[in-house]
Amino acid sequence: GQNIDQPTEMTATEGAIVQINCTYQTSGFNGLFWYQQHAGEAPTFLSYNVLDGLEEKGRFSSFLSRSKGYSYLLLKELQMKDSASYLCAVMDSNYQLIWGAGTKLIIKP
Amino acid sequence: GAVVSQHPSWVICKSGTSVKIECRSLDFQATTMFWYRQFPKQSLMLMATSNEGSKATYEQGVEKDKFLINHASLTLSTLTVTSAHPEDSSFYICSARATSDTEAFFGQGTRLTVV
Repeated sequence: GQNIDQPTEMTATEGAIVQINCTYQTSGFNGLFWYQQHAGEAPTFLSYNVLDGLEEKGRFSSFLSRSKGYSYLLLKELQMKDSASYLCAVMDSNYQLIWGAGTKLIIKP
Repeated sequence: GAVVSQHPSWVICKSGTSVKIECRSLDFQATTMFWYRQFPKQSLMLMATSNEGSKATYEQGVEKDKFLINHASLTLSTLTVTSAHPEDSSFYICSARATSDTEAFFGQGTRLTVV
């Protein structure tokens, strides 16, 4: 079956760095997405990785290792507004998104 | 990024009535649209995939006669929840993509409450 695993909840301090991991087992692979979702709102796109390596975009970076079925989202200089759920999703061979359950990130002052 | 508009943002309806939710891609043609529902503290669950001009493909366990999906044009898909019940109360989100290998953009979601 298809499976996406990510931690349920993480806590970090304002100004610090946090890494949210995602491991996957899917039928085919056409890219991995990270989305941010604030409570009661739709997800917003953060990053897309289809090749191995690190993609940096401002305070957010995303890493992918296809051979290990592993990705992480790195958030630097954490701000209170970064408190949200972070969803990992993999596009399978049918170009459908398989979603993880999301990681709730709590930022403390 | 591209804009997907979902309407309404929230709706309250009486049990037994039907509710229609619209999803529009405002600046691109969406060959495929997806409908999700999300219960509190849970991940997005795909309900159905619709391709313009053809019948929607429903995920296992989703009643196609209860959740009617229409994708009549490249910029509009609708989800109609028929004979709504309190257990249908949820957050419904649509997403749209232009081609099979491009990002899917999300609407803002519709919070449905059935009383």
